[in-house]
Amino acid sequence: DTEVTQTPKHLVMGMTNKKSLKCEQHMGHRAMYWYKQKAKKPPELMFVYSYEKLSINESVPSRFSPECPNSSLLNLHLHALQPEDSALYLCASSRLPGGATDTQYFGPGTRLTVL
Amino acid sequence: DAKTTQPPSMDCAEGRAANLPCNHSTISGNEYVYWYRQIHSQGPQYIIHGLKNNETNEMASLIITEDRKSSTLILPHATLRDTAVYYCIVRVDSSYKLIFGSGTRLLVRP
Repeated sequence: DTEVTQTPKHLVMGMTNKKSLKCEQHMGHRAMYWYKQKAKKPPELMFVYSYEKLSINESVPSRFSPECPNSSLLNLHLHALQPEDSALYLCASSRLPGGATDTQYFGPGTRLTVL
Repeated sequence: DAKTTQPPSMDCAEGRAANLPCNHSTISGNEYVYWYRQIHSQGPQYIIHGLKNNETNEMASLIITEDRKSSTLILPHATLRDTAVYYCIVRVDSSYKLIFGSGTRLLVRP
């Protein structure tokens, strides 16, 4: 089983709202990732969590706040977003952090629209 | 990580083999070739990866040239459900990152 689940599937929010995206995996993976994908563009890495600790932040604005409460869950808290933040937000996980043979498995994504 | 070059689009007939090329002429010895695909509005799906030997799994085959400067992903009997954007990614052994390029949009025709 290589399933990563994400909720919600779709989210519409105003620029003053606070919302959260959720990602879950039960494969025992110890690395989890957030990617952002704008329309007609490839996914771009935002954050990496390794053993529940933030290990990489790709210079993401502070209005995006990741959280990894345990090894199965990854959240992305959103606050004061801009319309240009509208995108598909993808979560991924892998068995162990790092290493080119460590395959990342992606969830279906959350389609976010910021009004 | 080495850069990859893929044709922007390809098409093939249903039931025929789809051969998707990827150029990675600056690949170094510890970099792996990965292939993912993304069906419209879904998350990327892992297909296959390899270092220097050819690889095969239930989804596809990966042929890497001897000098490792290019590779080909082969879908042996393409179906309509294989219509997707296919990404070839070169990944260094110590890196967390998957750096996606522009990919190849494959259209499988009935």
